[in-house]
Amino acid sequence: EAAVTQSPRSKVAVTGGKVTLSCHQTNNHDYMYWYRQDTGHGLRLIHYSYVADSTEKGDIPDGYKASRPSQENFSLILELASLSQTAVYFCASKQGANYAEQFFGPGTRLTVL
Amino acid sequence: GDSVTQTEGPVTVSESESLIINCTYSATSIAYPNLFWYVRYPGEGLQLLLKVITAGQKGSSRGFEATYNKETTSFHLQKASVQESDSAVYYCALGDSGGSNYKLTFGKGTLLTVTP
Repeated sequence: EAAVTQSPRSKVAVTGGKVTLSCHQTNNHDYMYWYRQDTGHGLRLIHYSYVADSTEKGDIPDGYKASRPSQENFSLILELASLSQTAVYFCASKQGANYAEQFFGPGTRLTVL
Repeated sequence: GDSVTQTEGPVTVSESESLIINCTYSATSIAYPNLFWYVRYPGEGLQLLLKVITAGQKGSSRGFEATYNKETTSFHLQKASVQESDSAVYYCALGDSGGSNYKLTFGKGTLLTVTP
């Protein structure tokens, strides 16, 4: 059974609309991450969290908010979606501070029109 | 800062030919560099292909190999004989098991196409 799941797997949104991407992990991991992937770029970190009810900014947080209501769940929120936010979004989890390996979900393809 | 540079794609190789995808890294803020190769098959998410956490060691999986070379700061991915099913995007990544750096740093990815 997949340990990191994402929903939806694909979404089309309108410019200016609100989008929420969800991630759920059953790894019992402390850390969770949101990355985006664009053609010609590696994965870039948007937000991450190392404990429930707390989130941290990554390298490209502008235009995004994150929410970690429980250890298992981590959401990415686009309050006002823009064309430039069209990308594939990956969620990942990691066991703890002294572990480097991350486990990824299948990705969400977001298209903003 | 920390960075990963890998072979620019796309790379096209004939089936049964050998493959090397170069990866070099810079780990200026990482206490204990760990190196990874992830793979993304068409329509799927990232999967861990192999990892090495100790300099000088070699990792291997599914016929792929990579050696963590601290002197040359490299972690090249090699396979002696590729198959069509190896067609995917390959990402080299750098992480820290010392706890001082929370994230993975990825290369841009290399699109590999294996032709029959």
